[in-house]
Amino acid sequence: DAKTTQPPSMDCAEGRAANLPCNHSTISGNEYVYWYRQIHSQGPQYIIHGLKNNETNEMASLIITEDRKSSTLILPHATLRDTAVYYCIVRVNTNAGKSTFGDGTTLTVKP
Amino acid sequence: DGGITQSPKYLFRKEGQNVTLSCEQNLNHDAMYWYRQDPGQGLRLIYYSQIVNDFQKGDIAEGYSVSREKKESFPLTVTSAQKNPTAFYLCASSIDPGVAGGYTFGSGTRLTVV
Repeated sequence: DAKTTQPPSMDCAEGRAANLPCNHSTISGNEYVYWYRQIHSQGPQYIIHGLKNNETNEMASLIITEDRKSSTLILPHATLRDTAVYYCIVRVNTNAGKSTFGDGTTLTVKP
Repeated sequence: DGGITQSPKYLFRKEGQNVTLSCEQNLNHDAMYWYRQDPGQGLRLIYYSQIVNDFQKGDIAEGYSVSREKKESFPLTVTSAQKNPTAFYLCASSIDPGVAGGYTFGSGTRLTVV
């Protein structure tokens, strides 16, 4: 499975959009991009995933570049409760057991 | 409601003792996983199982053992051979790897060895 690179930390003002980047330059054609977040001392929570097209759900939007080598998670109106560690992973659906979670990005939303 | 239950939430053990962490899911998921998380770090894969009676080592399997006798259960044993067992342990499950599904995580067990 391809590995991902994320900035270690980011800040965002409450009410503004938070844009979290992820680099996955070695992604394979059949690997999906998944985003999770972890609030302190809890299990990670699924946010969104995508293969090629941009995706949107009630929590966030996912923008994947045309070459699929990078993506951006967008939280459109960040709140204090969005303060968490955000993980970007890539996952081959025929070998789901080897997904690697890096250290993620610690997002701090400030009032 | 369906989900994954890890128990206990906090566990204390003396050095040299084996300890078993419980993970149960009622989501009818085929695959289950164990991850370890140290303070300020990401998740590292210990073991995973894609089907009953079968499991595979992850990146840091030394000092750990698992079993998968039932679809719903995937207990992890931390043995005395694990040199630094104090950590936060997370169990997860996912639907058939052939389907684009994500992981569902439990709430974790914090193990402290003294």
